[in-house]
Amino acid sequence: GQQLNQSPQSMFIQEGEDVSMNCTSSSIFNTWLWYKQDPGEGPVLLIALYKAGELTSNGRLTAQFGITRKDSFLNISASIPSDVGIYFCAGRDTGNQFYFGTGTSLTVIP
Amino acid sequence: DGGITQSPKYLFRKEGQNVTLSCEQNLNHDAMYWYRQDPGQGLRLIYYSQIVNDFQKGDIAEGYSVSREKKESFPLTVTSAQKNPTAFYLCASNVGPGQGAQPQHFGDGTRLSIL
Repeated sequence: GQQLNQSPQSMFIQEGEDVSMNCTSSSIFNTWLWYKQDPGEGPVLLIALYKAGELTSNGRLTAQFGITRKDSFLNISASIPSDVGIYFCAGRDTGNQFYFGTGTSLTVIP
Repeated sequence: DGGITQSPKYLFRKEGQNVTLSCEQNLNHDAMYWYRQDPGQGLRLIYYSQIVNDFQKGDIAEGYSVSREKKESFPLTVTSAQKNPTAFYLCASNVGPGQGAQPQHFGDGTRLSIL
């Protein structure tokens, strides 16, 4: 199965800065998802996107479903120390299969 | 509270031993999945089940087996044929095919190590 191209692989930022990460696929998806994973824990769903062009916010997080249905981005505004973790994108196809990016490791420096 | 429960949190396997990881959900989801996560890598699909009494191999099924006798339970057995079992194993579920585009939800994982 395919793995999605997620970038950047890692980020080191100052507290208060904004963060942007994105994900691309060679296939079309009908759902894009963004998860955060803390060490030793399972991924937690942050945002789900269901329509091409959709822009959705969850607090300081904003994500968009690309118009081509082959990409998505996640922005985090005004980062805080608890934003530290690994962020994964995922796409769902029409067969209810999910494909994951390789993750973006975020470090926030106080 | 509704959710996905994986147990145990930590598991150790001896050479030549089979071990079983438990996954239970009370979300009334039809579909359940097992993933393997290695350090610095994304999630790789081991097995999935879209409905009770049916399951399909994922990308890395060799050395693993599953059963889906009940809707709420999807145990994963790591057999002695899996030569590199040390990894973090994640179970997930979602409502299932044909029920609208719904996300997957994950358990808290089981870390398996070789003794």
